[in-house]
Amino acid sequence: GAGVSQSPSNKVTEKGKDVELRCDPISGHTALYWYRQSLGQGLEFLIYFQGNSAPDKSGLPSDRFSAERTGGSVSTLTIQRTQQEDSAVYLCASSIGTGPYNEQFFGPGTRLTVL
Amino acid sequence: AQRVTQPEKLLSVFKGAPVELKCNYSYSGSPELFWYVQYSRQRLQLLLRHISRESIKGFTADLNKGETSFHLKKPFAQEEDSAMYYCALRNTGNQFYFGTGTSLTVIP
Repeated sequence: GAGVSQSPSNKVTEKGKDVELRCDPISGHTALYWYRQSLGQGLEFLIYFQGNSAPDKSGLPSDRFSAERTGGSVSTLTIQRTQQEDSAVYLCASSIGTGPYNEQFFGPGTRLTVL
Repeated sequence: AQRVTQPEKLLSVFKGAPVELKCNYSYSGSPELFWYVQYSRQRLQLLLRHISRESIKGFTADLNKGETSFHLKKPFAQEEDSAMYYCALRNTGNQFYFGTGTSLTVIP
């Protein structure tokens, strides 16, 4: 079946503009994660959705970042008033739920460049 | 606070030589540790997890709680092992914390 998909694959924007990044998880996966991958910084946890529970937003770096997940499926990460330091690859992952044997499946990422 | 440290950004070994990618963690609870791998132009994917005590593609990793380490090892490196490797920890809240990654190059 189809894996996790993300769009767009690349996004170039000007400083100060808002951007929306989309993630389509694997059907039936209740858990969804957003990460930011910056050069030399590894993967930085941003936000985690699990079923209908309130999302864990503890990783969002500032109030310019927000995410939502509609209908327990598609998720959108929004960055308002983008800054150059927001340039990174944004990865989405989904898993079937919680539990020790759950595996995260990653999307291909969206490369964001803020000029 | 949780933290995962991978001290080596780059690691090069010759084909057939043993390889060890280091990972140390800090976590006050009982950790769940993972290794993820990203091959060139491919997605990040799970390599192995400590609770399974498995060997995948010849790689093994043992959780050492005394040393708070989860080093990844393979006795004989192959060229196809060249990739980016990330160590990750999952906490009880189901959050994942990743290290900065180690880029492994296996020299023919």
